[in-house]
Amino acid sequence: GQQVMQIPQYQHVQEGEDFTTYCNSSTTLSNIQWYKQRPGGHPVFLIQLVKSGEVKKQKRLTFQFGEAKKNSSLHITATQTTDVGTYFCARNTGNQFYFGTGTSLTVIP
Amino acid sequence: GAVVSQHPSRVICKSGTSVKIECRSLDFQATTMFWYRQFPKQSLMLMATSNEGSKATYEQGVEKDKFLINHASLTLSTLTVTSAHPEDSSFYICSASVAGTDTQYFGPGTRLTVL
Repeated sequence: GQQVMQIPQYQHVQEGEDFTTYCNSSTTLSNIQWYKQRPGGHPVFLIQLVKSGEVKKQKRLTFQFGEAKKNSSLHITATQTTDVGTYFCARNTGNQFYFGTGTSLTVIP
Repeated sequence: GAVVSQHPSRVICKSGTSVKIECRSLDFQATTMFWYRQFPKQSLMLMATSNEGSKATYEQGVEKDKFLINHASLTLSTLTVTSAHPEDSSFYICSASVAGTDTQYFGPGTRLTVL
């Protein structure tokens, strides 16, 4: 279907450890977006990647778009308790947005 | 800027009743609004895309007669869940997009519980 797969589904890390979530599509993506959803909250837009091989950084977050534009990753360096939440990638097809399965991150203080 | 509100934030209703959820873009004109449904610990599933002044486009498997969408202005879209049943209990989230951009801004969501 339209959904992109994300792994892992859940991740528990000790505060200070790094975290990575991967987003995989069977088809080439025109672009990929990343969102964060805190427990009980709504998704908040983090970034959009468009170019093949693109890498963008936001403080401790590094976003990468694969060379074939079929996968993407989000890496968090030295996690903090404020990083807790579910991270979703989303593919954009025309005017519609389809969310990945999500990775739920728990940070243990 | 780019604030989207939803009302109500929570609603509990009896089986068989209809519930209307409003989605408003407060400080911008949204040419397109999207409606999503999210079950506990699951991803957001796109239900429909709503363009101002035209009929909504529903995703496969979403009943258009059950989930009525109206997008009467550039700042307001409504979702009406008709004849709600317990299996319709979910978190309904809207988002709004500005023409010419790929960015969507999400509302805070509405938690619907059908008894």
